[in-house]
Amino acid sequence: AQTVTQSQPEMSVQEAETVTLSCTYDTSESDYYLFWYKQPPSRQMILVIRQEAYKQQNATENRFSVNFQKAAKSFSLKISDSQLGDAAMYFCAYRSSTSGTYKYIFGTGTRLKVLA
Amino acid sequence: GAGVSQSPSNKVTEKGKDVELRCDPISGHTALYWYRQSLGQGLEFLIYFQGNSAPDKSGLPSDRFSAERTGGSVSTLTIQRTQQEDSAVYLCASSLGLGVTQYFGPGTRLTVL
Repeated sequence: AQTVTQSQPEMSVQEAETVTLSCTYDTSESDYYLFWYKQPPSRQMILVIRQEAYKQQNATENRFSVNFQKAAKSFSLKISDSQLGDAAMYFCAYRSSTSGTYKYIFGTGTRLKVLA
Repeated sequence: GAGVSQSPSNKVTEKGKDVELRCDPISGHTALYWYRQSLGQGLEFLIYFQGNSAPDKSGLPSDRFSAERTGGSVSTLTIQRTQQEDSAVYLCASSLGLGVTQYFGPGTRLTVL
């Protein structure tokens, strides 16, 4: 069975600085999808970034980028120029590409604090 | 509506009572998912619907939990004889067909006293 591990329960970053959140996963599959979701206090889960395992190029969305290391089964999120609005829980998630298995498997999350 | 909606936003109930949680997916989304988020833990998959059928119920923790979906749209998660360990945030998500990206609602916070 697949598992997702986020080893940093909490991280802090100064406003305008860069922070990296870690995620590792375990799978025997070769094709899958990885995600980072943001959950602010409103509880609304917001998609930050998505990566297809068959793509070697790391995904980027504005200030957010990932470092996808398939062999190491690592999927870290880098937030550049951190803003106060980035403060939230961040969850890493895995989705198989196998037909019939569409659920996400989530890590336990990292709480990001942004210091003014 | 524009996004996934859930009701109620918060629900407080007494141990032993039954509760119903509702999810309205994004219009046109045929796939619907329920997850549970317990304090200090990640999201735990409960059940997945494709249309009105539930091909994957593997995450339902006990037979006190059930869910249905009618008309390929609204879904209801029912918890019978609630226990204190059922206290959690229940999140619903939907996706377009078998689309990879799931869109989440704001959740229902359930508190069992």
